[in-house]
Amino acid sequence: AQSVTQLDSHVSVSEGTPVLLRCNYSSSYSPSLFWYVQHPNKGLQLLLKYTSAATLVKGINGFEAEFKKSETSFHLTKPSAHMSDAAEYFCVVSPPPYNNNDMRFGAGTRLTVKP
Amino acid sequence: ETGVTQSPTHLIKTRGQQVTLRCSSQSGHNTVSWYQQALGQGPQFIFQYYREEENGRGNFPPRFSGLQFPNYSSELNVNALELDDSALYLCASSLGGGLVGETQYFGPGTRLLVL
Repeated sequence: AQSVTQLDSHVSVSEGTPVLLRCNYSSSYSPSLFWYVQHPNKGLQLLLKYTSAATLVKGINGFEAEFKKSETSFHLTKPSAHMSDAAEYFCVVSPPPYNNNDMRFGAGTRLTVKP
Repeated sequence: ETGVTQSPTHLIKTRGQQVTLRCSSQSGHNTVSWYQQALGQGPQFIFQYYREEENGRGNFPPRFSGLQFPNYSSELNVNALELDDSALYLCASSLGGGLVGETQYFGPGTRLLVL
């Protein structure tokens, strides 16, 4: 069975400091992994995706994530937080045969950015 | 390019009633997926439609049903509403049958409250 665990339900950082949102996955096969962001009253937006190419994936708005198979992790990072980064972030796993039907979302991490 | 739109934005129903939620997919997209996001949780896959045919279904009972129209817009119908159906319902469109390599574009959602 495939699943994701987001290790923190809430992360708070100061503006200009690094962001780390942690995600561990469980999958019987080599999965595809995603990070989505959800701002209040807006739809989910894809930040980045890993589909078995480079293990370090760069996304939009300065975010990146590294796929570590040995640790079954796909943590999301950003060097410097901005106030506009405050939102809910979801880690998503999808195993082969790589269909949207099997996308499993984590419970989410709420990121707060303090001025 | 027009994004994914959903209507209504909010809805209040009573237990036992029926509800229809609507989604207009992004221009040119032929695939629509529906998700249920309960408060404090990540989205859960309900079903997907590709070119007017159901293309996969999550673990939801038959009282959750859907349609996709020739213009690729879609409806989600829920019969015999239960209190636990209270949630944010998200629609996502994509191009190409729901392959995970492609990006899903999410609408802002319809928030349903069942009393």
